Amino acid sequence: GENVEQHPSTLSVQEGDSAVIKCTYSDSASNYFPWYKQELGKRPQLIIDIRSNVGEKKDQRIAVTLNKTAKHFSLHITETQPEDSAVYFCAASSYGQNFVFGPGTRLSVLP
Amino acid sequence: GAGVSQTPSNKVTEKGKYVELRCDPISGHTALYWYRQSLGQGPEFLIYFQGTGAADDSGLPNDRFFAVRPEGSVSTLKIQRTERGDSAVYLCASSSSSGGAYEQYFGPGTRLTVT
Repeated sequence: GENVEQHPSTLSVQEGDSAVIKCTYSDSASNYFPWYKQELGKRPQLIIDIRSNVGEKKDQRIAVTLNKTAKHFSLHITETQPEDSAVYFCAASSYGQNFVFGPGTRLSVLP
Repeated sequence: GAGVSQTPSNKVTEKGKYVELRCDPISGHTALYWYRQSLGQGPEFLIYFQGTGAADDSGLPNDRFFAVRPEGSVSTLKIQRTERGDSAVYLCASSSSSGGAYEQYFGPGTRLTVT
């Protein structure tokens, strides 16, 4: 079955700097890769996603890149703000079926 | 519009008891997922429904766990003979899955504590 790894487990950046979180997956059948932000005590919220027919997607300060050959995808947050502090999860799915999540990255943006 | 809702928000039960957790998906969403999230970990897939049928139940840990979605809308996760290790937040998510839309929207979760 699918296995998703995520690094780093914790990340601290200064406000205004960029943050990068990386994930790898094992199943070449996976074709949908969402990223979720989860604040303490809250539900996961989808922030961006990418499909296997696209190499990069951007939405304001957030971007995701996908390398299908290497089976890895990354989340990039630019101009970080304190409200970006949260736990971020990557996930992989084949056609919206069984979603496998990474273990999460705790991002702290220091003012 | 209304998002995914889950009831109860918190459930405390004694070891060995039976519990039911309910999920109301977004209206019109045909896909429904159950996950379990332990502290400091990512959501762990349990089961996925497409309409009324369980399309993939490979994540259910053992036969004490069962889920139904009889009319293709509301779903109930049932846990028999609860154990302390079942304590976690149980999350439900739904997706329209029409036209290849895979985006999941999560409910607030039910925090289950088994004493």
